[in-house]
Amino acid sequence: NAGVTQTPKFQVLKTGQSMTLQCAQDMNHNSMYWYRQDPGMGLRLIYYSASEGTTDKGEVPNGYNVSRLNKREFSLRLESAAPSQTSVYFCASRKGLAEAFFGQGTRLTVV
Amino acid sequence: AQKITQTQPGMFVQEKEAVTLDCTYDTSDPSYGLFWYKQPSSGEMIFLIYQGSYDQQNATEGRYSLNFQKARKSANLVISASQLGDSAMYFCAMREWETSYDKVIFGPGTSLSVIP
Repeated sequence: NAGVTQTPKFQVLKTGQSMTLQCAQDMNHNSMYWYRQDPGMGLRLIYYSASEGTTDKGEVPNGYNVSRLNKREFSLRLESAAPSQTSVYFCASRKGLAEAFFGQGTRLTVV
Repeated sequence: AQKITQTQPGMFVQEKEAVTLDCTYDTSDPSYGLFWYKQPSSGEMIFLIYQGSYDQQNATEGRYSLNFQKARKSANLVISASQLGDSAMYFCAMREWETSYDKVIFGPGTSLSVIP
């Protein structure tokens, strides 16, 4: 049982480049989330999706777009990467009231 | 405005002692849930405990218990009999139902160090 799988695990981008972070879950969960974690800031919600076909902005959505491709997959896109987007990105999923399951994280550096 | 406050950036506790990690929250939603997660140095997020706003009793899970004081909007995590493996970052999180269904936000975290 893979749980929540994020790819890639590490990425270095140049300023202005674009990329998509992929997330897939095999637990048949309805809700999926993207967070970023910066030192001393905890996890901040970028976007979330309560169900297939819906997405909503979180606390820090600027500079990002998301796609809930189907129930399993929720991708995060950076159209024009900036050094301020250097962070660790976590994808998570949850069903109902239960706890969220997290992926292992993607460490992104923008130079 | 910060919805989840964790006022203790760093805490130390002696092995085998109990420790309380503070969490206060701000919501006008009558239906909400509170979570605690642990993040060891390896980076993964580990769920510890959950408390619903309508739950009558404080949640407990093994050595973890949640001291839920609804009127004070406080949901402190109590770890009994601390172990060296408890050294980690601890995050309090809140999910609101009615105003923003399924949105889960986190506090800034508390770093716990267990001393032998």
